[in-house]
Amino acid sequence: DIQMTQSPSSLSASVGDRVTITCQATQDISSYLNWYQQKPGKAPKLLIYEASNLETGVPSRFSGSGSGTDFTFTISSLQPEDIATYYCQQYDNLPTFGPGTKVDIK
Amino acid sequence: ELQQSGPGLVKPSQTLSLTCDISGDSVSSNSAAWSWIRQSPSRGLEWLGRTFYRSNWYSDYALSVKSRITVNPDTSKNQFSLHLTSVTPEDTAVYFCVRERFLEDSYSGMDVWGQGSTVTVSS
Repeated sequence: DIQMTQSPSSLSASVGDRVTITCQATQDISSYLNWYQQKPGKAPKLLIYEASNLETGVPSRFSGSGSGTDFTFTISSLQPEDIATYYCQQYDNLPTFGPGTKVDIK
Repeated sequence: ELQQSGPGLVKPSQTLSLTCDISGDSVSSNSAAWSWIRQSPSRGLEWLGRTFYRSNWYSDYALSVKSRITVNPDTSKNQFSLHLTSVTPEDTAVYFCVRERFLEDSYSGMDVWGQGSTVTVSS
């Protein structure tokens, strides 16, 4: 199985701050990397697919980049409604998820 | 939309069974796969398995549950199901049914999720 790591595991930032989360795969996964947002008690929501494609209806302050083993997810200007846990997910063979990054407001 | 149903409590050694009703798409779609994912504090988000149709029916399963899991389509009801046998308390989790989307034959993420079902394994 391909394993995914994320850092940091949690972060606190102020409204308007730029937030960056990194995700690393244990082997080359090309651009087969998606990002999800999960709020408490809810199912995850797809934000970014194939590393850098913004899902329809998702605000443009969310973005993703990377390929191979190293990927980055960015919120350009943190909003109060962005408080959530963010997960990366690879699909090179069978899907696996990262452990998540919890984002809250400082 | 995906709507899940099934018991919330299962006894150890028995079989966990959940069903997911599909609306707005078809279980036989050539641009989707229909999957089950679970989430627990100890294991995080864990993809379990899927079924999909590409001229024939196929299924894939996670190695961690491969000996115990079956994911089946039901074309007459436009739904799919999860059966997980010989459950233990380690199988206690929130279970989600999910659509995995393929755009122009390229995998593009899990874009539709069921509401989640809390399943507890306990005697």
